[in-house]
Amino acid sequence: DQQVKQNSPSLSVQEGRISILNCDYTNSMFDYFLWYKKYPAEGPTFLISISSIKDKNEDGRFTVFLNKSAKHLSLHIVPSQPGDSAVYFCATGSARQLTFGSGTQLTVLP
Amino acid sequence: EAQVTQNPRYLITVTGKKLTVTCSQNMNHEYMSWYRQDPGLGLRQIYYSMNVEVTDKGDVPEGYKVSRKEKRNFPLILESPSPNQTSLYFCASSFTSGRAYEQYFGPGTRLTVT
Repeated sequence: DQQVKQNSPSLSVQEGRISILNCDYTNSMFDYFLWYKKYPAEGPTFLISISSIKDKNEDGRFTVFLNKSAKHLSLHIVPSQPGDSAVYFCATGSARQLTFGSGTQLTVLP
Repeated sequence: EAQVTQNPRYLITVTGKKLTVTCSQNMNHEYMSWYRQDPGLGLRQIYYSMNVEVTDKGDVPEGYKVSRKEKRNFPLILESPSPNQTSLYFCASSFTSGRAYEQYFGPGTRLTVT
C-alpha cells in the first residue's frame, strides 16, 4: 500500500496565478516532509521541506503547508511562472529511506 | 561543482546480459541510494548504503546487487536483466546527519531490456 499519495497526475494553471499541489500520507510517524521538482531528462532536485513540528514553511514563491490531523501536505507556488512547469514529487521518511509519491505534472501556461 | 554522476545515461541491452550502472558523487556524502522511476509509481528505492561496506535493501531489491567499496562510488549491478527491469534509474546521495533528508540526485539512466 502506498504510504504517500499524490492523487492528481496533472495540473494546469495560468502564469501569475497560484499553483496548489497536494499530497496525502498514511504513517503518522513521519517527522519530515519534502518536495522535489523534476524536469525532463534531469534528476529530481530538492525544492522545500517542512518538519512535523511546524505547519508552514516558506521559501520565496514556494510555501509548504502541513496538516497533521488530516495527514495532508500541500505546496503553493505564487505567482506561478512558465519555468515552474515540471513534475513535482512529495516525499517523506527517514535518513535511510525516502518514500515518494507518484508525482504531479504541473504546466504553467503563458 | 558538487554533483552526482551516472553512466551510462542510456542503455539498451538483451535479457540475461549482465550490466553495471555506475554512480559517483564528489560531496563526501556518507549515504547513497538507488531508485527506479516507473509511470504512475513515482520513485521506488532499490538499495541504499549508509557508508562504505554498509548496504541494505530498499523496497524493490529483487534482481539487483550493489557494492560500496569506496565512499564516492555506488554501482548498481544487474546480473541477469529481464524486461521488467526496463525503467529510469536514479542514484542519490546525502549526508547522514543534519539535513540528511535532502538527497542529491544524478541525471538518471534510462535502461531498456529486450
